[in-house]
Formats: sequence, structure tokens, C-alpha cells
Amino acid sequence: AQSVTQPDIHITVSEGASLELRCNYSYGATPYLFWYVQSPGQGLQLLLKYFSGDTLVQGIKGFEAEFKRSQSSFNLRKPSVHWSDAAEYFCAVIISSGSARQLTFGSGTQLTVLP
Amino acid sequence: EAGVTQFPSHSVIEKGQTVTLRCDPISGHDNLYWYRRVMGKEIKFLLHFVKESKQDESGMPNNRFLAERTGGTYSTLKVQPAELEDSGVYFCASSLGGGKANIQYFGAGTRLSVL
Repeated sequence: AQSVTQPDIHITVSEGASLELRCNYSYGATPYLFWYVQSPGQGLQLLLKYFSGDTLVQGIKGFEAEFKRSQSSFNLRKPSVHWSDAAEYFCAVIISSGSARQLTFGSGTQLTVLP
Repeated sequence: EAGVTQFPSHSVIEKGQTVTLRCDPISGHDNLYWYRRVMGKEIKFLLHFVKESKQDESGMPNNRFLAERTGGTYSTLKVQPAELEDSGVYFCASSLGGGKANIQYFGAGTRLSVL
């Protein structure tokens, strides 16, 4: 079945440490890829997106993600985590073929940042 | 510029009652989407409006859910009668265009608790 997988439900890192959140998708063609973040009491905010071209994309708040076609992955990274990065992170896709416009989300990764 | 706003932020009702959720998209955004997250699972698509027309309602779970967007501005999502399994967070998103590359901007969501 077509799906988006975020294997880590919860990740804890220390402030200043590096971060990598994993995302894999299972679709025949490369979908449009997104990472969203939801802080407490806030809506989902777009961090970055990948449609085509350079496979390393830069986003807001110092985040980046790398698309790897061979691994069907779009992992999110940040070299040095700040306490304010504590939030829930969602990987999402839009299928590139067909008429569907909706986002399909992974189950989310909750990030805790230790002082 | 105001973002996507949703009312109420939290609603607590008893099983069998009716609840109406409201979404005000970003001004000028013709495309409006409803999603929901039930019991900490994935955020799932409900339906997509283009102006006042339902473009895709393939995600609507059953006929207890009714979405409207009269005049192509704000949208309402009515649940009647509400069941326990309807509890969750209902998100609204809007986008300027309907293409797959158009960014969907999300509201903070309405948390619905059915007791």
C-alpha cells in the first residue's frame, strides 16, 4: 500500500546536538515531499519542500532535508538543535500523478530537547 | 496578513449532539482543505474545496459529516450526530492555487472531544 513512514515516534536530543528525523515513502513515482512542524497551540508550519532539482533543500529555522531516490527517503536534519525546536514533526507527500491534491502524512515524530 | 483561523479551538460535546467547526482561509485562497487527526494517528485528508465547489470529498468518513463553503469564503464542517470515534483534531488548510506545488497553509486546528 502507498504510505509515508516516520519510524521514530519520539526522539530526545540535548540542546546543541545534531538531529535527523527519518521519513520514507512508498509510491511508484517520486511524490512532492514536505516537512511540517507543529508547536504546541500552533498550526502546522511548513519547514521545507522538495519538488525537483537539487536533492538537498534548505528550509526555515536552520533545517535541511535530503531526498534520496534510491532509498525513497526524505530525512530532515539540523546540525544544532535549539530548545525552541521541541515540537512534533510531520513528513508529508502529494502524489505526483493523478488529480489528487491532498497531503498524505506520516504519523509524526515528537521531538524533546533536553537543556 | 491573517493566517488560516479555526473556531472554536476546543469543543467538548456529548455523543449524539451536533457540532459545527468553522474555518476562515487566508484571504484570496480559493482552495480549502479539511483534515483530521484521530487518537494520535496520522493526519488524514477529508475533503477539498475549490471556491464553493467540492473538488474531492473522498476522505469523508460517512454521511454524518457535512462540509459547506457557501460563497467560497469560510467553510464549516458539521458533525451530526457526533460519535465517540469522531474525537480528534480537525485541521483546515488553504492554498492560493490548486496545483500540487501550491503550499497548503494550516490553521491551529479544532480539538473535538466527544464524551
